[in-house]
Amino acid sequence: AQTVTQSQPEMSVQEAETVTLSCTYDTSESDYYLFWYKQPPSRQMILVIRQEAYKQQNATENRFSVNFQKAAKSFSLKISDSQLGDAAMYFCAYRSWIYQLIWGAGTKLIIKP
Amino acid sequence: GAVVSQHPSRVICKSGTSVKIECRSLDFQATTMFWYRQFPKQSLMLMATSNEGSKATYEQGVEKDKFLINHASLTLSTLTVTSAHPEDSSFYICSARGPSGSYEQYFGPGTRLTVT
Repeated sequence: AQTVTQSQPEMSVQEAETVTLSCTYDTSESDYYLFWYKQPPSRQMILVIRQEAYKQQNATENRFSVNFQKAAKSFSLKISDSQLGDAAMYFCAYRSWIYQLIWGAGTKLIIKP
Repeated sequence: GAVVSQHPSRVICKSGTSVKIECRSLDFQATTMFWYRQFPKQSLMLMATSNEGSKATYEQGVEKDKFLINHASLTLSTLTVTSAHPEDSSFYICSARGPSGSYEQYFGPGTRLTVT
C-alpha cells in the first residue's frame, strides 16, 4: 500500500523569504501523480501544484515549485517570496491509477510579518 | 470551471436524528465522488468512494449503515449520517473526480456537523 509522510508538523518563515516543505512517499507503482494542496483557515482545499511521475521536469506555478526526486521518492514544495496569504495547512498527496488520494499528515505553515 | 458545492456548510442536529449533506458538481459531470472526514488539526480520512449509479465503496472501519452515500446522478452525491451521535461531529468534505482528461479531484468547501 502507498504511504505519504510529511515529517514537519509545523514550519515558520519570515515574510518574503523562502521555505521548503518536505514530503516522502512509498509506492511500488511507476505511474502516479503527486499533489500539494493548501487548506487555509476557511478549510477549502486548494490545489497548489501537481507533478506527473513520468515527467522529469519539476513543476512550477508562479512562486511555488517542487523538487521531485523519483528514485528517492521525495516531493518537496518550495515557496518563494512568502506572503501572509500563504499561511495555511499544506498537504502532500499521492494519486494512484484508481484516483484515490493518499494524504500526508500535513504541515502547518506560519508566516511571520 | 470545475466547481464543487456542498450544502449545508454548517449543521447542528440532536443526537439520534439523521442529517443529509449534499455534494454537487456545478459545471461538470462527476462519475466518481469521494467523501472525507477531517478531525481538528488532522489530515483527511477517506470514508467512501461513490460511483454514479452504483453502490458506494466504503473504507475499512467506516460503518456503511451509519454513513449512507447515494450517488444518484452525475452531478449529485449525498451523505446521510443516520442516528447521529456526538462522536459523529466532524468536518465532512466531498470531492469529485474532474472532467474527462483531468488528473485532479475538485473539493467542496466542507460541512461542519455538530451533534448535540
